[in-house]
Amino acid sequence: GQNIDQPTEMTATEGAIVQINCTYQTSGFNGLFWYQQHAGEAPTFLSYNVLDGLEEKGRFSSFLSRSKGYSYLLLKELQMKDSASYLCAVREGNYQLIWGAGTKLIIKP
Amino acid sequence: IAGITQAPTSQILAAGRRMTLRCTQDMRHNAMYWYRQDLGLGLRLIHYSNTAGTTGKGEVPDGYSVSRANTDDFPLTLASAVPSQTSVYFCASSESNTGELFFGEGSRLTVL
Repeated sequence: GQNIDQPTEMTATEGAIVQINCTYQTSGFNGLFWYQQHAGEAPTFLSYNVLDGLEEKGRFSSFLSRSKGYSYLLLKELQMKDSASYLCAVREGNYQLIWGAGTKLIIKP
Repeated sequence: IAGITQAPTSQILAAGRRMTLRCTQDMRHNAMYWYRQDLGLGLRLIHYSNTAGTTGKGEVPDGYSVSRANTDDFPLTLASAVPSQTSVYFCASSESNTGELFFGEGSRLTVL
């Protein structure tokens, strides 16, 4: 069946590094997305991985291992504005997106 | 500013009433989607449209209908609202069915 697992909540300290994991089991694979969603706002695109490896974009990096059904989002030099939910989504073989429930990241000073 | 506009932002509705959530995009994207977001659950696809004139059912289509008369507009209609349809509804679009999604600001619907 289809399943995407992410931790429900994580806490980290301002200035530190945090890794948010996502594991998935889906019917086919056509890419994995990470979105950021601040409370009461719309999700916004962060990254897209379709091949194995690390994609770096400023303070944010995303990693994918298709053989393990695993991805992570790495946030460096955490800022208070990074407090948000982070959503993992997998595009299946039929091009539909399956979404995880999201990881709420709390940043403490 | 280019993007997706949803209306209304928030609405309280009596059970049994008909309601249409409006969604308009000005990015000329081919694909459009309606999702609902509930606490503790991932975004769930209600209906989608890969191009003007076509629509498809998503994961949770029952009680909802959509139309795609043109590229820009993708309204979602609840024919007879029920309390379980209380949720935040997001409209989204993408250039194609393989691209990243751009989301509207959401419509918070409460059915009493």
